[in-house]
Amino acid sequence: DGGITQSPKYLFRKEGQNVTLSCEQNLNHDAMYWYRQDPGQGLRLIYYSQIVNDFQKGDIAEGYSVSREKKESFPLTVTSAQKNPTAFYLCASSIEGTAVYLQHFGDGTRLSIL
Amino acid sequence: AQSVTQLDSQVPVFEEAPVELRCNYSSSVSVYLFWYVQYPNQGLQLLLKYLSGSTLVKGINGFEAEFNKSQTSFHLRKPSVHISDTAEYFCAVGNNAGGTSYGKLTFGQGTILTVHP
Repeated sequence: DGGITQSPKYLFRKEGQNVTLSCEQNLNHDAMYWYRQDPGQGLRLIYYSQIVNDFQKGDIAEGYSVSREKKESFPLTVTSAQKNPTAFYLCASSIEGTAVYLQHFGDGTRLSIL
Repeated sequence: AQSVTQLDSQVPVFEEAPVELRCNYSSSVSVYLFWYVQYPNQGLQLLLKYLSGSTLVKGINGFEAEFNKSQTSFHLRKPSVHISDTAEYFCAVGNNAGGTSYGKLTFGQGTILTVHP
């Protein structure tokens, strides 16, 4: 079955560490997204990519970095500059055109600080 | 710029009762509107969408929503809820006028629907 796979499901970070969250899709979608979810705040866009080797900052990009070297993969690195990284991170993908808003989501990675 | 406000953070309801989850939006351009549902520890699933045409849209699991342009609202309704409808529901808006924000969804804060037996 086609879908989006996020790994790991749970991740722990020590102070000063960078960690990378994986997102892989086999839906042949062009666009991919990273969101951060905090209780009572909905989803906030971190980064998005509409095509391989190109990506744009979302609303809360500080302290995060991404790459898009392959169509199927869009990893997110949470750097030590992100002072409050504890959150639920969701990856999504979509095709282009009007359907760009019909986003398919992975099951998320929950990041906690040790 | 666009924003979404979900007016209730939590809605408790008894099984088989009707429910309405309220959503208002603000945008300087015309928009597409969406409702997504999230079950615990999972990602979001699209429940229904308004792109154009009839302002009453039907989605999965018996949910429907009505787009009211004059009141800038997109409330979600279900005439009779089940225990399995317990989840968090998100209203979202995307601009349909192009520009730099095209393709970016803006989400509301979420409404937790709890259905009691």
